[in-house]
Amino acid sequence: DAGITQSPRYKITETGRQVTLMCHQTWSHSYMFWYRQDLGHGLRLIYYSAAADITDKGEVPDGYVVSRSKTENFPLTLESATRSQTSVYFCASSPGQGLPGELFFGEGSRLTVL
Amino acid sequence: QKEVEQNSGPLSVPEGAIASLNCTYSDRGSQSFFWYRQYSGKSPELIMFIYSNGDKEDGRFTAQLNKASQYVSLLIRDSQPSDSATYLCAVNPDGNKLVFGAGTILRVKS
Repeated sequence: DAGITQSPRYKITETGRQVTLMCHQTWSHSYMFWYRQDLGHGLRLIYYSAAADITDKGEVPDGYVVSRSKTENFPLTLESATRSQTSVYFCASSPGQGLPGELFFGEGSRLTVL
Repeated sequence: QKEVEQNSGPLSVPEGAIASLNCTYSDRGSQSFFWYRQYSGKSPELIMFIYSNGDKEDGRFTAQLNKASQYVSLLIRDSQPSDSATYLCAVNPDGNKLVFGAGTILRVKS
């Protein structure tokens, strides 16, 4: 199916482990984003990418790494997971043309760090 | 720090009433403003956007913008139980990035 998909949808890991959340979109959208959502904080931008091989930090980038070698994929890696990174992670994409700010979200990945 | 503030709620309204959701933002340079709806356990979806001062209507939804007061609101007329969700206000300070508020929980009672 076309759209934006995230995997895994649910993940439990332990402190100190490396975790990678995958994001794939089939629209060829230029922009891709990673947000985390926590109670009381809403959605906070972790990293974003304007095109393949172009990435930039958002509001809360510490402890995360991203890459974008292909337009359709935007993986998010937690190099050494901490309990404070327990959250719901949303990947989103945007065409980059037309309406800036119209984001299309994936279904989310719920990560629990024990 | 660019901030977007919303009352977390919950805002409870009876079915058929008008629900009024409010949002303030700190960055005076912001040019575009968005309302996303998020059902419990689901991802956000865009329902309204507004660029210019004044009102913008789309069906039962009206977005209102006052840049001088740095204030955005969303009115939902004839509220339905299916409108029960969290409503996220978002501001576009530059480029394609959005800054989101924490969201207001709306409950429509039948």
